[in-house]
Amino acid sequence: DADVTQTPRNRITKTGKRIMLECSQTKGHDRMYWYRQDPGLGLRLIYYSFDVKDINKGEISDGYSVSRQAQAKFSLSLESAIPNQTALYFCATSDFGQEVETLYFGPGTRLLVL
Amino acid sequence: GQNIDQPTEMTATEGAIVQINCTYQTSGFNGLFWYQQHAGEAPTFLSYNVLDGLEEKGRFSSFLSRSKGYSYLLLKELQMKDSASYLCAVTDSNYQLIWGAGTKLIIKP
Repeated sequence: DADVTQTPRNRITKTGKRIMLECSQTKGHDRMYWYRQDPGLGLRLIYYSFDVKDINKGEISDGYSVSRQAQAKFSLSLESAIPNQTALYFCATSDFGQEVETLYFGPGTRLLVL
Repeated sequence: GQNIDQPTEMTATEGAIVQINCTYQTSGFNGLFWYQQHAGEAPTFLSYNVLDGLEEKGRFSSFLSRSKGYSYLLLKELQMKDSASYLCAVTDSNYQLIWGAGTKLIIKP
């Protein structure tokens, strides 16, 4: 079984709709992240959480919100989707206790906003 | 501003060697990562450099020069499965990861 899972894997929605992307992990990591990836651009951080009570904005948080329901779950919401939020979204986790703190990514959610 | 530069695309031949360069300008430096991303898949960790020099890991090596703001990823004995995008990322003084746009590597038989 995958250590980091994301649902849904693909989603088509319309402008103005609220949608939620979910992420679950079985790695036992405290740190979780949401990134988006667009063609020709590097991964951009939307939000991150270092533990259940900690939520931090990343470089592109406008139009997004998150919820850390448990150590294992971190969901991303688009309150009112717009076409330029069409992108590939990745959830990731990391372990602060590792000698090298690498990111472990979920399989991604491909979102299309019409 | 902070910036990571990598070539957009490179082509190489199966069995050959290829070097993918990455230059960076960031506010501080706390390490450089290379990730591999196959088309339609998630990035996976390849290597990490925090001190100058070469880190070797099987067919893959990564080099860092902090004074030049420069790194490269060297792939030897290329295989078709190495066709992927290679992402360079730098941890800045605030321990935030800054990502390059990635280099798409195409391997030809």
